[in-house]
Amino acid sequence: DIQMTQSPSSLSASVGDRVTITCRASQGISNYLAWFQQKPGKAPKSLIYAVSSLQSGVPSKFSGSGSGTDFTLTISSLEPEDFATYYCQQYNTYPLTFGGGTKVEIK
Amino acid sequence: EVQLVESGGDLVQPGTSLRLSCVASGFTFSDHFMDWVRQAPGKGLEWVGRTRNKARRYTTEYAASVQGRFTISRDDSKNSLSLQMNSLKTEDSAVYYCARAGTVTGNHYNMDVWGQGTTVTVSS
Repeated sequence: DIQMTQSPSSLSASVGDRVTITCRASQGISNYLAWFQQKPGKAPKSLIYAVSSLQSGVPSKFSGSGSGTDFTLTISSLEPEDFATYYCQQYNTYPLTFGGGTKVEIK
Repeated sequence: EVQLVESGGDLVQPGTSLRLSCVASGFTFSDHFMDWVRQAPGKGLEWVGRTRNKARRYTTEYAASVQGRFTISRDDSKNSLSLQMNSLKTEDSAVYYCARAGTVTGNHYNMDVWGQGTTVTVSS
């Protein structure tokens, strides 16, 4: 199975900060990398697919980059509604696998 | 509005069975691959399995942790997805989400729309 490792596991940031989350795959996954946002008690929400393509309705403050095994999610300017847990996920190979999550908390 | 609504979650004893359902609306259900994903209390997301569409002969994929115990099926006439869970273990306790695999990258499919989830608790 492909292991997805996110870092950090949590971070504290302030409104207006630029935040970057890293995701590393245990082997190459081409561009089959997605990011999800989850708020407490809610279902995950799809943010990004194919490394850098925004899902419909997702604001442009979210961006993704990377290739091969190393990927990043960047939030350009944190807003109160962005405090949540973020998961990366590979869909190159079955079983589909998720990173352990990064919790973005208010400083 | 695209919507997925799960049901069937319950408190059950280890070794028993349970069937979850997911009803879709707002899109052409029969066109899409569909997934189940679960989340144990306080833990991250775990993909459970997938059913492909009729064009792909409704073939399925499963995580190793549920292979042989869980079965995914669908009824396109009812816009319905099911997860039959047998020989349940305490470690199967989780919120179970159904998700549409509506994002297509080349010939790879991925989740884009999620239901609100249904809770399964396996405990004696």
